[in-house]
Amino acid sequence: DGGITQSPKYLFRKEGQNVTLSCEQNLNHDAMYWYRQDPGQGLRLIYYSQIVNDFQKGDIAEGYSVSREKKESFPLTVTSAQKNPTAFYLCASSIDGGPSYGYTFGSGTRLTVV
Amino acid sequence: KQEVTQIPAALSVPEGENLVLNCSFTDSAIYNLQWFRQDPGKGLTSLLLIQSSQREQTSGRLNASLDKSSGRSTLYIAASQPGDSATYLCAVLPSGTYKYIFGTGTRLKVLA
Repeated sequence: DGGITQSPKYLFRKEGQNVTLSCEQNLNHDAMYWYRQDPGQGLRLIYYSQIVNDFQKGDIAEGYSVSREKKESFPLTVTSAQKNPTAFYLCASSIDGGPSYGYTFGSGTRLTVV
Repeated sequence: KQEVTQIPAALSVPEGENLVLNCSFTDSAIYNLQWFRQDPGKGLTSLLLIQSSQREQTSGRLNASLDKSSGRSTLYIAASQPGDSATYLCAVLPSGTYKYIFGTGTRLKVLA
C-alpha cells in the first residue's frame, strides 16, 4: 500500500541535542512538507520541498533543517537552536503541490524535551 | 493574508444527530479546500477535497459544500456515530501558492 511513513512515533531529546525525524513516502509525490502542531494552534509550516535537491523555508524554520536528496525522503533535523521543540510533527506530501489532489499526511512524531 | 477560522472549537452531540461543522476563509482566491479528520495522537486523514469550481463533494455520510464568494465551507455529517468523534480540520490552498493554510479545528464528541 502506498503511503507516508514517519519514524519514530515518539522521540525524546535532551537539552542541547540535535535529533532527526524521518519521513518516507512511496506515493511517487514530488512535493513534501513538514508541519508542527501545538495544542490549540493550527498546523504551522516548517519547511517544504517541491522537487528533489530543492527546499524552502516555511513560516517557522528557525532551529530546524532539512534535506531532500531522494524523491521519497525528506528528513527533518531539530537542532539545539530550537528553544521550544516539544510538539507533534507531521509530514505531508502531494503529487503537484496540492491543486489537483491535495495533501496526504503521515501518522506523526511526538517530540518531547527531557 | 489568508486566514482560516473554524467555529465552534468544540461540539458535543448525541448519537444519531445530523450536524454541520463550519469553516470560513478571508480570501476567495483559492485552488481548493480540503477537510481532514484527526484522531488523538494521530496524523491527518483526508476526508474530502473540493476544487474551487465545485459546489460540493460527498463521501458516504459526509457532504462538504463550498461557497467561495462568501468564504465559507461546511462539512455535514449525517446520522452521527461515536466513531465520528475526532477533530475536524479544514485547509485552503490559496491560488498561486502550494502551501495549505489550516484552521485550528473543531473537536467533535458524539455521545452514545
